[in-house]
Amino acid sequence: DGGITQSPKYLFRKEGQNVTLSCEQNLNHDAMYWYRQDPGQGLRLIYYSQIVNDFQKGDIAEGYSVSREKKESFPLTVTSAQKNPTAFYLCASRAPLRLGTDTQYFGPGTRLTVL
Amino acid sequence: GEDVEQSLFLSVREGDSSVINCTYTDSSSTYLYWYKQEPGAGLQLLTYIFSNMDMKQDQRLTVLLNKKDKHLSLRIADTQTGDSAIYFCAEFGGTYKYIFGTGTRLKVLA
Repeated sequence: DGGITQSPKYLFRKEGQNVTLSCEQNLNHDAMYWYRQDPGQGLRLIYYSQIVNDFQKGDIAEGYSVSREKKESFPLTVTSAQKNPTAFYLCASRAPLRLGTDTQYFGPGTRLTVL
Repeated sequence: GEDVEQSLFLSVREGDSSVINCTYTDSSSTYLYWYKQEPGAGLQLLTYIFSNMDMKQDQRLTVLLNKKDKHLSLRIADTQTGDSAIYFCAEFGGTYKYIFGTGTRLKVLA
């Protein structure tokens, strides 16, 4: 059963802590993305990775870090430098162009709350 | 700018048709997408349309594309209570970046 998994579903963080959100895919997709969703603002791109061992900043990368050591995995760390981290975080992967649709597929999301 | 615009709310009665509209920004976008998001969940791909098409139909869903006006719409026929969700349109310009609208919250009244 192919898909994208994110864990945990809910995460609580104290101020000053770093936390890491997991994203795993078994779709054999090269490209992976992290988005932040706030109410009424749609999705904003944090980081993306087009291939293993490479990643690029998106529109709101400050206070976040990522790694891409394996094709299947693209973890996101929310650092203490992120001043307003409470949000819903979505991971996505992108189907290869050779399949014709350039479509993104999304995980179920992680809701992060700062206490 | 990079804003993809959608109206925030739409309310329809069960059994009626729903039409959700979107104005996108980049006339060179290759693909345009509609996603559905239920509460607390990720985005589910509903349908997509290639930029050289005017219309695409998939069961109860009809997508219309007006490239001249950069206008995309999603029509849901015979809307059901299970269709209540937030609907996002998105465009892809052919590099890496997808641009999403702010989402339209559809409420279906029984």
